[in-house]
This record gives sequence, structure tokens and C-alpha cells, in this order.
Amino acid sequence: DAMVIQNPRYQVTQFGKPVTLSCSQTLNHNVMYWYQQKSSQAPKLLFHYYDKDFNNEADTPDNFQSRRPNTSFCFLDIRSPGLGDAAMYLCATSRPGQGFGQPQHFGDGTRLSIL
Amino acid sequence: EDQVTQSPEALRLQEGESSSLNCSYTVSGLRGLFWYRQDPGKGPEFLFTLYSAGEEKEKERLKATLTKKESFLHITAPKPEDSATYLCAADGSSNTGKLIFGQGTTLQVKP
Repeated sequence: DAMVIQNPRYQVTQFGKPVTLSCSQTLNHNVMYWYQQKSSQAPKLLFHYYDKDFNNEADTPDNFQSRRPNTSFCFLDIRSPGLGDAAMYLCATSRPGQGFGQPQHFGDGTRLSIL
Repeated sequence: EDQVTQSPEALRLQEGESSSLNCSYTVSGLRGLFWYRQDPGKGPEFLFTLYSAGEEKEKERLKATLTKKESFLHITAPKPEDSATYLCAADGSSNTGKLIFGQGTTLQVKP
């Protein structure tokens, strides 16, 4: 089955220690998104790649970076995690057309804890 | 500013007790309205896409409808396994597929 896979499912890191989360997809979608979701809140978009073009949301902290080496993979780097960065991180993909919108397909997320 | 608002925040039902969840949206150039189900500790699972007022989609006990200002997710004779958070999201006029999410409705169905 075509899908979006996130690794690891759970990640524990120390305050200030860089961490990388990964996402891969077999849907061959050209757009990949990274969201942060805290308890009982809606997913908050951090950034997205439209093909190779990186698009940052205005309120995404500089501490968060992303890389997309090819169509299938995307990484989220948190350079110096703070306690407030503890959250679920969700990766999603879509293939938006010029006309009607298309749904995003999500992975099961990485739960990040900061010690 | 584009906005999506869901109500209620939480809903408790007895098994078999039908109800509806509401999603109000203010989005210019709506390209699609999406419903997702999210179980604890998992990513949102896509349920439905609605494109135009009057459109309806059904899947098992769920039916989604759309008007020019709102969408409803009707749950008929729910079962405990329908317990989850239901998210509504709108795709506005951007061609990037960016979604505007509501805060979600957490549904609990008791046996």
C-alpha cells in the first residue's frame, strides 16, 4: 500500500541537543508538509516543499529547518530543542492540482520528548 | 482572514445515539473541504472531500455535507469504535494545497 512513513515513532532528546526526524512516501506526491501538533490542538503547519521549493511559514522559529533530498524523503531538523518543542510532529503529502483541492495524506507522526 | 471553526469541542454519545458535528468556514475561493479522523497517538486519517454546496459523501455510519458556510459530519447510530477526534480542514485559494484546520471535535461513544 502506498503510504507516508515517519521514523522514529518516538524520539527522546536532551535540551539543546540537535535532533532529526524523517519522513518517506511512496505516493509520488510532489508536495510534502511538516506539522507540529500539541495536545488537544490542531496541527500547525511549519513549512512545506512544493517540489524542490522550500516554503517557510512566517511564524516558524528559526530553530526548525527542513531538507528534501529527493521526491520520496523529507527531514525535519531541530537545531536546539527547547522544552516547548515537545510535541507530535506530523508529515503529510499531497498532489495539489490547478483546479480542485486534493487531500493531504499523513504519517503516524513522531512523538518528540525533551529531557 | 481565512478561518475554520468546529463545534462542539467535545461530544459524548451513547452507543446508537445519532448526532452531528459542525464545521463553519470563512475561506475565499474554497477548493475543497476535508474531514479527517484522528485516533490518539496517530496521524489524521483522511475521510472525505467535499467541493461544492449541496454535495454529500457517505462511509459506513458517517455522512458529510456541505453548504456555502458550513459542513456537517453526521454520525448515525455510532459505536464505541467511532470514538476519535474529527478534524475539518479547508483548502483556500492557494495552489500549494495548504490546509486551514479547525480545532477538532473529540467524540466519545459509550457502550
